[in-house]
Amino acid sequence: GAVVSQHPSRVICKSGTSVKIECRSLDFQATTMFWYRQFPKQSLMLMATSNEGSKATYEQGVEKDKFLINHASLTLSTLTVTSAHPEDSSFYICSGSMASFGLYGGATQYFGPGTRLTVL
Amino acid sequence: AQKITQTQPGMFVQEKEAVTLDCTYDTSDPSYGLFWYKQPSSGEMIFLIYQGSYDQQNATEGRYSLNFQKARKSANLVISASQLGDSAMYFCALAWTGTASKLTFGTGTRLQVTL
Repeated sequence: GAVVSQHPSRVICKSGTSVKIECRSLDFQATTMFWYRQFPKQSLMLMATSNEGSKATYEQGVEKDKFLINHASLTLSTLTVTSAHPEDSSFYICSGSMASFGLYGGATQYFGPGTRLTVL
Repeated sequence: AQKITQTQPGMFVQEKEAVTLDCTYDTSDPSYGLFWYKQPSSGEMIFLIYQGSYDQQNATEGRYSLNFQKARKSANLVISASQLGDSAMYFCALAWTGTASKLTFGTGTRLQVTL
């Protein structure tokens, strides 16, 4: 399957600082990348969808000024958590989407290994 | 509204036995894709299997097969010959044609494989 990397895998920061997380598709071009967050023992919640070269589309309730997403190329998207606070502590996972599947017209998402953010 | 339901929060299965993880969904859109992902304790989401709404045959991928019953709106995952390494969270997910592959996930089932 396709490979997606994330960096860093774990970050601990002080309240009020900003944290940048990188998501890279290593062996395919991801026209669309997605960012999710996952709280302990819960499912993934989509935060935003980003397409290369255009502004990200945020899900309802997600603060776009707090979670800045940049999709600079077909292989790189970044998520910056600005002025992080303890309630932003979570597991953040990105995914990249590639070729379509048949009549469905959609595409499988391949996920990165995730970044565990702890804000003190 | 788009909804995926996984009614089994936890399942146990003995090594080498088969297990079925349930998934039902709600949609009025005739064109959609169903996915199953595995999430081990490391956190990575691993793609297992895909079923398109128009696919005539149930999807299979190695030890994984999808029991797709379109009329019942169910897409159960069957794992044959369970292995200890299969212990993980399993998520069912659905994407609608008009949502640019945006996935909606179920709440997950934690599978524990025992000796």
